[in-house]
Amino acid sequence: SQQGEEDPQALSIQEGENATMNCSYKTSINNLQWYRQNSGRGLVHLILIRSNEREKHSGRLRVTLDTSKKSSSLLITASRAADTASYFCATRGQNFVFGPGTRLSVLP
Amino acid sequence: DAGVIQSPRHEVTEMGQEVTLRCKPISGHNSLFWYRQTMMRGLELLIYFNNNVPIDDSGMPEDRFSAKMPNASFSTLKIQPSEPRDSAVYFCASSLGTGNEQFFGPGTRLTVL
Repeated sequence: SQQGEEDPQALSIQEGENATMNCSYKTSINNLQWYRQNSGRGLVHLILIRSNEREKHSGRLRVTLDTSKKSSSLLITASRAADTASYFCATRGQNFVFGPGTRLSVLP
Repeated sequence: DAGVIQSPRHEVTEMGQEVTLRCKPISGHNSLFWYRQTMMRGLELLIYFNNNVPIDDSGMPEDRFSAKMPNASFSTLKIQPSEPRDSAVYFCASSLGTGNEQFFGPGTRLTVL
C-alpha cells in the first residue's frame, strides 16, 4: 500500500475558515513534503519538514510532524478561494512516495 | 529560469505506436523524476535519476516503458508499443538532491486510442 495517505479525501469549507489535512505513513522517513496541485497543472512544493522537526510555518501554512504516530498535518489558516486545489503529502524514506491527495474546495 | 520544460504538452496516438516524452530539468539540478498521474492510481513515481544515472526504476510498469538521461539537461520517457491503458498525464520533476524540493513541469497529457 502507499507510503503516504491523506485524509480526508475531499474537504469543502467557506472562505476565511481554516482547513486541516492529515497524512499518515508506514515506514521511517528522512523528510515529509506537502505539495499543491491546481487542476490540470503540475505540483508545486509548499513546505518540507525533516524527521527531527515537529512543526514548521510558512505564511498561512502550518505543518506538524509526529514521527511516533507516523503522521503529519497541514493547516491552512484564513483560507481563500485561490487555495482550492489538491494537496499531496510526499514522504522521503528509502524511496519517494506521494499519497492520493486531499481535494480542497474553498467556497467564496 | 524557465522551470522544468516538458514536450509535447499533449499527445494523441493510436495503440501500437511509439511515444516519446521529453523533459529538460532546471539547470543545476542533479535529480530527475518521471511520474504518471491517473484518476484511478493517483501519482506514481516511474523512475528517477541522480547525476544522469537511473537509481530506482521499480515503478516502471512494463518493459514497454524505458527512460534515458543522456546528459544533465535532457531526459526521455519512451513507450513502445503504446496501449490505451497508458493514457495519463506524465510529469517530469527535478531537484537539487533526491530528497529535496521537487520542481514539476507542466506535464504531458497522453491519450492512446
